[in-house]
Amino acid sequence: KNEVEQSPQNLTAQEGEFITINCSYSVGISALHWLQQHPGGGIVSLFMLSSGKKKHGRLIATINIQEKHSSLHITASHPRDSAVYICAAARGSQGNLIFGKGTKLSVKP
Amino acid sequence: EAGVAQSPRYKIIEKRQSVAFWCNPISGHATLYWYQQILGQGPKLLIQFQNNGVVDDSQLPKDRFSAERLKGVDSTLKIQPAKLEDSAVYLCASSNWPNVLTFGAGSRLTVL
Repeated sequence: KNEVEQSPQNLTAQEGEFITINCSYSVGISALHWLQQHPGGGIVSLFMLSSGKKKHGRLIATINIQEKHSSLHITASHPRDSAVYICAAARGSQGNLIFGKGTKLSVKP
Repeated sequence: EAGVAQSPRYKIIEKRQSVAFWCNPISGHATLYWYQQILGQGPKLLIQFQNNGVVDDSQLPKDRFSAERLKGVDSTLKIQPAKLEDSAVYLCASSNWPNVLTFGAGSRLTVL
């Protein structure tokens, strides 16, 4: 079993839909990252969370430390949101990252 | 703020040849990471530096991969000799932990 699990693995949505991607982890963490990778593109850091909730534009990330679970929500999804979303758990004082396998999101117009 | 610079962006070599990748992190970032990302998979950590010291290289195939971080700034990752299974994108990232991680655009290696 991977230490960081994401679901779903693939997600297809219609433009405008509300999207949720889930991440569960089994290790103690100092922070959790949500990353975005467009096809053929580099990785962009969306959020780094250690507690609670963060919002940036149409993106919202939440984390429940007790349940070892985080979610990434996209409101009013758009085709340009199509990308792979990766959850990564940071361990220890140096921030060693353990990556999930990613969720491939496709938003249809 | 300038991002994490990597070069080359693309490299095609034949198996058993050698290749080197270069990374220039964001100024002042003490932590530098090299990741290997095989198509369809998440990134896998190869090596993590804190300044010019190695924090974690447990997943670095040391028989063929080597990395160094010169004076705690730039870093190079070398593969010698390359194998077919080394075809991947090699990502460099830096952070001033606990601040947000910043990734470079990656170096795509194809081994024929």
